[in-house]
Amino acid sequence: GENVEQHPSTLSVQEGDSAVIKCTYSDSASNYFPWYKQELGKRPQLIIDIRSNVGEKKDQRIAVTLNKTAKHFSLHITETQPEDSAVYFCAPQGGGYQKVTFGIGTKLQVIP
Amino acid sequence: KAGVTQTPRYLIKTRGQQVTLSCSPISGHRSVSWYQQTPGQGLQFLFEYFSETQRNKGNFPGRFSGRQFSNSRSEMNVSTLELGDSALYLCASSVGQVNSPLHFGNGTRLTVT
Repeated sequence: GENVEQHPSTLSVQEGDSAVIKCTYSDSASNYFPWYKQELGKRPQLIIDIRSNVGEKKDQRIAVTLNKTAKHFSLHITETQPEDSAVYFCAPQGGGYQKVTFGIGTKLQVIP
Repeated sequence: KAGVTQTPRYLIKTRGQQVTLSCSPISGHRSVSWYQQTPGQGLQFLFEYFSETQRNKGNFPGRFSGRQFSNSRSEMNVSTLELGDSALYLCASSVGQVNSPLHFGNGTRLTVT
């Protein structure tokens, strides 16, 4: 099965700074790379995703970059705001239908 | 479109009992998957159903089972509850194609005493 590692497990940044979370996976068949955000007491929600034919995707203050050769992808958040405080999960997919392995999660705290 | 609906939101059960959780997917979504979320283990995949067939199963004991109905609604059953089954159970629906995003419900918080 897929081995997924996510780093760091916790991250504290000052408001306005940038945050980067990295996800490493093992299955070379993976070709879909989403990031989910889970605020305290709420459901996980997709915030950005990328497919294997693209190296980078940006949506306002968030971006995802993919390095298929090295088997990792990263979430980048710029100009962080307090509402970015949440747990972020990576969940690389490929090969099997919807048998998704999630990373352990990164708890991001943005300090005002 | 209405989102993914899970019922009940909270459950308190005693060891040895069994429990059934329900999930109604987004209209048009044919895939429903279930996850167990605990502080120490993160989100762990239980199983996935598509058109009433189980397509994938995670590494959970046989006490955990599920099914899907013709209207895509899904149920998850846990028999002979153990203290360690206390967790947030999330279901997610998707269109079911390879590499389609997951849409989560709010979850059912199960406490086993």
